[in-house]
Amino acid sequence: AQSVTQLDSQVPVFEEAPVELRCNYSSSVSVYLFWYVQYPNQGLQLLLKYLSGSTLVKGINGFEAEFNKSQTSFHLRKPSVHISDTAEYFCAVKRYGGSQGNLIFGKGTKLSVKP
Amino acid sequence: DVKVTQSSRYLVKRTGEKVFLECVQDMDHENMFWYRQDPGLGLRLIYFSYDVKMKEKGDIPEGYSVSREKKERFSLILESASTNQTSMYLCASSLILGQGQQKLFFGSGTQLSVL
Repeated sequence: AQSVTQLDSQVPVFEEAPVELRCNYSSSVSVYLFWYVQYPNQGLQLLLKYLSGSTLVKGINGFEAEFNKSQTSFHLRKPSVHISDTAEYFCAVKRYGGSQGNLIFGKGTKLSVKP
Repeated sequence: DVKVTQSSRYLVKRTGEKVFLECVQDMDHENMFWYRQDPGLGLRLIYFSYDVKMKEKGDIPEGYSVSREKKERFSLILESASTNQTSMYLCASSLILGQGQQKLFFGSGTQLSVL
């Protein structure tokens, strides 16, 4: 069975500082990995995804993530955060087999950017 | 832009009431999903549907049922609401593309309180 672990429930940082949100997954088969962001009072939207190919994936709003197969990780990074990045971030893995489009989500990491 | 619309942003119901949560998408997507989001637990899949009248149980289907009579509409039904069903409910839709090639589009959520 697959699972996703987000190691930090809350990450407070100052504006313009770098940030890394950690995500580890477990799976015995090939995986497809995703990061979603949820701004206050909104639904989730896709930040970036890894399907295959280059292990460094660039997403929207200056975020990027690196797929590391040996460490089973898919950490999200941004070199300089802005107040508007304050949101909850969810890592997800596509459920292998079964119907298409079925994702398993982590428990989320709340990023709080302070001035 | 894809639009996923949930009929209510906030809903207050009494224990034992039958509750309908409605979700409509305007992009002819095959897949539709209902998640509930609880603090510290992330998103958990309740049910999903990959075609009209087709549905599959997710991770926490107990106490819920769904209906998909038309492709654009996916309803979540609480047959007899209980206080432990107080939660944020998120609807999502996605296209079926190649393996892993999918993107979920989320509604803004319905905050249900059961008193």
